[in-house]
Amino acid sequence: GAGVSQSPRYKVAKRGQDVALRCDPISGHVSLFWYQQALGQGPEFLTYFQNEAQLDKSGLPSDRFFAERPEGSVSTLKIQRTQQEDSAVYLCASSLDQTGRGAYEQYFGPGTRLTVT
Amino acid sequence: AQRVTQPEKLLSVFKGAPVELKCNYSYSGSPELFWYVQYSRQRLQLLLRHISRESIKGFTADLNKGETSFHLKKPFAQEEDSAMYYCALSGLNDMRFGAGTRLTVKP
Repeated sequence: GAGVSQSPRYKVAKRGQDVALRCDPISGHVSLFWYQQALGQGPEFLTYFQNEAQLDKSGLPSDRFFAERPEGSVSTLKIQRTQQEDSAVYLCASSLDQTGRGAYEQYFGPGTRLTVT
Repeated sequence: AQRVTQPEKLLSVFKGAPVELKCNYSYSGSPELFWYVQYSRQRLQLLLRHISRESIKGFTADLNKGETSFHLKKPFAQEEDSAMYYCALSGLNDMRFGAGTRLTVKP
């Protein structure tokens, strides 16, 4: 079956450009998470959706980061006025979990590698 | 504050030797802990979670609330176990990962 997909897989942006990263979760998965993974580090939580509701955005590093999931399925992470420190792999994960407590397995996408030059 | 610490960035053992990957956590509530694994050129995937108390691919992990630890163990390492391992802690609406340990099993 289809897993979590992300696009684009690679993105090079000039400093100051806006970017949009897309995540297609597994069909029927209620929970959706975004993570940022810098080189040599573990995934850092950015934000969590339960259906279309963004229940936690405490991990977004600045107001340049914005995420949405308007119909409770596909999600987009947008970064405005990109900076070099935004260079990282952005991971999306989805889960059947209806509580956000991680009782169910999170299924990860392949990630989008963003390089800001 | 919720935090996961994996003190070893790199761990190397010989095939057949026991392996233990360390994980310590801090969390004020009742923790839900996981181990995720990433094999070369593959996605991050769940290895095991403490609530199910299962053994996957010969790996086990016991939650020790007194020591706030969730170390991953395997009695006899195999070459195919070489991968990046991440310990993770689930909060109310988030998941916090450690920095990861790269395990290399030498022949």
